[in-house]
Amino acid sequence: SQQGEEDPQALSIQEGENATMNCSYKTSINNLQWYRQNSGRGLVHLILIRSNEREKHSGRLRVTLDTSKKSSSLLITASRAADTASYFCATPYTGANSKLTFGKGITLSVRP
Amino acid sequence: EAGVTQSPTHLIKTRGQQATLRCSPISGHTSVYWYQQALGLGLQFLLWYDEGEERNRGNFPPRFSGRQFPNYSSELNVNALELEDSALYLCASSLYSGVRDEQFFGPGTRLTVL
Repeated sequence: SQQGEEDPQALSIQEGENATMNCSYKTSINNLQWYRQNSGRGLVHLILIRSNEREKHSGRLRVTLDTSKKSSSLLITASRAADTASYFCATPYTGANSKLTFGKGITLSVRP
Repeated sequence: EAGVTQSPTHLIKTRGQQATLRCSPISGHTSVYWYQQALGLGLQFLLWYDEGEERNRGNFPPRFSGRQFPNYSSELNVNALELEDSALYLCASSLYSGVRDEQFFGPGTRLTVL
């Protein structure tokens, strides 16, 4: 089963608006990562937030993490048409069966 | 600095054949990960190699196998191909072993099984 689940599944906004995407996970984590995927291509790492951090910024991106609610949000401010892509949250299982698990992704469409 | 490279870009096979996919990690990265992205199923973790050893594998049958070479490049082999193996196969590498840090992805190999 998926460790991370994104919400909503699809989001359509106008250029210049803000886009908020959410991710919920099930087990304790030491970090949570957000990735972007342009159509049919490889993933690009956007930001990593560690479990002892509550908020992190990178350019127009703002990520929050609430470990008590096991949730994270990704905010893209002043969106651009080039932000149109799929966005994934990824959470790690650590230990002997260490792996990174991805949600099914959010499809963001930014209309010019 | 060159990114993660994968070859071939596209691969078309028929059911029952074998497919070999290749990945070269970023220079200095020793961990290589393979993922399958089938339509509607999201990214599914396949295999993790580090320092030439298989460290973990996902919930895939044994006909999915691979290896990591001394130069840290990796190969994914899929035997007895089935139609549902059609997917984008993504390779990623990381500087540190495990999942403590970000992974850098290649552009993927699109495998089509007819």
